[in-house]
Amino acid sequence: SQKIEQNSEALNIQEGKTATLTCNYTNYSPAYLQWYRQDPGRGPVFLLLIRENEKEKRKERLKVTFDTTLKQSLFHITASQPADSATYLCAPQGTGGFKTIFGAGTRLFVKA
Amino acid sequence: NAGVTQTPKFQVLKTGQSMTLQCAQDMNHNSMYWYRQDPGMGLRLIYYSASEGTTDKGEVPNGYNVSRLNKREFSLRLESAAPSQTSVYFCASSEVRTSGGYEQYFGPGTRLTVT
Repeated sequence: SQKIEQNSEALNIQEGKTATLTCNYTNYSPAYLQWYRQDPGRGPVFLLLIRENEKEKRKERLKVTFDTTLKQSLFHITASQPADSATYLCAPQGTGGFKTIFGAGTRLFVKA
Repeated sequence: NAGVTQTPKFQVLKTGQSMTLQCAQDMNHNSMYWYRQDPGMGLRLIYYSASEGTTDKGEVPNGYNVSRLNKREFSLRLESAAPSQTSVYFCASSEVRTSGGYEQYFGPGTRLTVT
């Protein structure tokens, strides 16, 4: 069955450093891969989408890579800030789009 | 724009009781979804509606029913609540992006406890 793995351990980093989060998937060939941010007690918020034929996508301080050979996506936050502290969800998506699969998320803590 | 709204925000039910969770979106999206989120697990799709008039099962549909009332509204019904349905429920809507893929917009969630 399809499986999405994100690091279940929280990531603790110092303000100003780059945070790197990993998403691995198996038994799946997604056409797209999305990243969402979720704050405690709130619904997920869309951040970025990358297509299978794109190697890298950037938006302000965010960068996502998508390696279909390794079946892995990396999510980077550069110059991290305490306000970036949240849980980040990886969500591979097929061409149909309706049955997006979500990873359990990685909790990021940025210390001032 | 309110985006995606859900009611109620919190609910406590006794085993065997029924209830309906309401969801509405004001973004004119065609597709709507119901997910549940449990600790340590990813969001799991219960049901979705690709467009008005259609509904389909997701990964965990047992014990639930849905109604796509119109383009704006998509409700989730628990006919006979069980403790295993204690969870946080999220409604979402989406529209296909011009560059492909479906970016989803989520509501604030309903925290349901079944005792």
